[in-house]
Amino acid sequence: DAKTTQPNSMESNEEEPVHLPCNHSTISGTDYIHWYRQLPSQGPEYVIHGLTSNVNNRMASLAIAEDRKSSTLILHRATLRDAAVYYCILRDEGNTPLVFGKGTRLSVIA
Amino acid sequence: DGGITQSPKYLFRKEGQNVTLSCEQNLNHDAMYWYRQDPGQGLRLIYYSQIVNDFQKGDIAEGYSVSREKKESFPLTVTSAQKNPTAFYLCASSIDQGGGAMNEQFFGPGTRLTVL
Repeated sequence: DAKTTQPNSMESNEEEPVHLPCNHSTISGTDYIHWYRQLPSQGPEYVIHGLTSNVNNRMASLAIAEDRKSSTLILHRATLRDAAVYYCILRDEGNTPLVFGKGTRLSVIA
Repeated sequence: DGGITQSPKYLFRKEGQNVTLSCEQNLNHDAMYWYRQDPGQGLRLIYYSQIVNDFQKGDIAEGYSVSREKKESFPLTVTSAQKNPTAFYLCASSIDQGGGAMNEQFFGPGTRLTVL
């Protein structure tokens, strides 16, 4: 699987937007970009995924660079409940298991 | 409610004992997975199964065993051969009806195993 690079940690003020970056310079044309997050002492949960176009859902937005070598997860208004580890994962065409890196630990300050 | 159940939430065992962690799903998902997580680290894949009666080793299968006799159940046995079994164990499942790379993995709440 192609590798992703994320900052170890980020901090945000409550109710401000958060932009979580992910670099994936070796992405292949068929890799989907997935984001999961893991709240403390819980299992990860799906956030969003995309292939080429930007995507929006009720939790977040995903902005994908034109060359697909990087992407950004956008939380429009961070809340204390968004404090978690966020994982950026590439997934190829097969239904293979997710491969997790260390992710980005997001702290939200009240 | 549909979902994935892992029990118990906390488990304590003496060194040298085998222990089996339970994972049940009622989502009618074909594929199931076991991950291990150590403090401050990401998840590492132990075993996965894409269909009943079949499973594959992940990156850290040594010292673990699994079975998949029923679609909804995928128990993991941590054997005495596993050198550092204390960890947070997470089970997941996903549907497998095409659309592979788009399929979401659903995770259970995890079992925290401590070997004394």
